[in-house]
Amino acid sequence: DQQVKQNSPSLSVQEGRISILNCDYTNSMFDYFLWYKKYPAEGPTFLISISSIKDKNEDGRFTVFLNKSAKHLSLHIVPSQPGDSAVYFCAALIKAAGNKLTFGGGTRVLVKP
Amino acid sequence: ETGVTQSPTHLIKTRGQQVTLRCSSQSGHNTVSWYQQALGQGPQFIFQYYREEENGRGNFPPRFSGLQFPNYSSELNVNALELDDSALYLCASSPDPPYGYTFGSGTRLTVV
Repeated sequence: DQQVKQNSPSLSVQEGRISILNCDYTNSMFDYFLWYKKYPAEGPTFLISISSIKDKNEDGRFTVFLNKSAKHLSLHIVPSQPGDSAVYFCAALIKAAGNKLTFGGGTRVLVKP
Repeated sequence: ETGVTQSPTHLIKTRGQQVTLRCSSQSGHNTVSWYQQALGQGPQFIFQYYREEENGRGNFPPRFSGLQFPNYSSELNVNALELDDSALYLCASSPDPPYGYTFGSGTRLTVV
C-alpha cells in the first residue's frame, strides 16, 4: 500500500518556465511533508518542507502548496533552471511515530535550455 | 566533520552471503536512519536508531539489522542475501528531525 504517490514519473520543461510537481497521499496522520532533490550518484538533498497546519511555504524559487482536504501537495519551481534537472521526491512523516520518512516514487525533471 | 559518508560506494555479493554497509555521520547527529532504494522507486525506510537504540523499523525482515556507535558511525547488516536485495542503500542522519535529515551518497549493492 503506497501511502505517498507521485503519479508523474517524468516532466520536461523549458528553461525559465514553471515546473509543477504533484504528490498525493492517503494517510491523514501525516503531519509534515518534505521535498527532496536527487542527482545521479548523490544522496537526496532537502529542498523545502511544510507542516500540515499550513497551506503554503515559500523559499526562493521553490514554493510548496498543501491541500489537506484533497490530500495533495505540489512543488512549484519558478523560474526553472537547467541545474534543476534531477529526480524530485515527495516525502511525509508522522512526528509522533519517530519521524521516519515515507517517500513517493519520484518525478524526473528535465529542464531544457 | 561535515556531511554523511557511506562506504563502500559499490559492492557485488553472491546470493546467500552476508554484507555490512557503513555510515559515518556528523558529530552531534544522534538519529540515523537507513533506507533501501530499488531502481525506479523511492527510498523505503528500513530502520532508525537514536543514541544507539533502535527506535523504529519498517517492513523489512529480521535479516536486516543495524548498529549505531557512540562515535556517530553506524552499520547496516544484511544476512542471507537475496537477488531482490540489490538496491541503493542510503544512510540519513539528523540532530533534530524533521528538518535536518542529511543523506549520504549511498552504497549500490548488487546481488548475483
